[in-house]
Amino acid sequence: TQLLEQSPQFLSIQEGENLTVYCNSSSVFSSLQWYRQEPGEGPVLLVTVVTGGEVKKLKRLTFQFGDARKDSSLHITAAQPGDTGLYLCAGPRSNDYKLSFGAGTTVTVRA
Amino acid sequence: EAGVVQSPRYKIIEKKQPVAFWCNPISGHNTLYWYRQNLGQGPELLIRYENEEAVDDSQLPKDRFSAERLKGVDSTLKIQPAELGDSAVYLCASSFGLGGSTSEAFFGQGTRLTVV
Repeated sequence: TQLLEQSPQFLSIQEGENLTVYCNSSSVFSSLQWYRQEPGEGPVLLVTVVTGGEVKKLKRLTFQFGDARKDSSLHITAAQPGDTGLYLCAGPRSNDYKLSFGAGTTVTVRA
Repeated sequence: EAGVVQSPRYKIIEKKQPVAFWCNPISGHNTLYWYRQNLGQGPELLIRYENEEAVDDSQLPKDRFSAERLKGVDSTLKIQPAELGDSAVYLCASSFGLGGSTSEAFFGQGTRLTVV
């Protein structure tokens, strides 16, 4: 059983559309990170959210951390082909510092 | 500043042969991770070091996998003997601090292992 559940598993959209991916858990996390991984490369850190209810914006990307620090979402506005990749959420649980990853959401943005 | 460096990038070996991967973390990062990633999946932790101490190796298959981090800097991960199911990308990551609640990890490009 995955500690962090990500949905959907796959997402294919047209350039200019919006998308949201979700990361959920039954455990409380000290923080959550979002990474993007392109084929043949390692994951690259996008953002870390720490405070329950926190919202962070990174250009067209908006990240939200749930009030109870058990879930997070990533929203992309006006997606571009360069946003294509595997989006991973990860976090250290509050009771230990093991950095666990979700299975990821594969996003494809068609030109 | 150089990122996490891993070598080799690719490795193809026959089953039952040994293989080793090397990782040089970001300078000053105390914590080092080895992850295994299967195609289309998230990374799964194999072992975590704080300095030279392995603080979490609960998911390392110890019958065939071993790792070391001498002097608390570079690390090697070894598989002996390799099995077909070991084919995956092996990722090394490092983070600053020890047991930190943020634990932002920075990854290398990974080593893609194919066992035939």
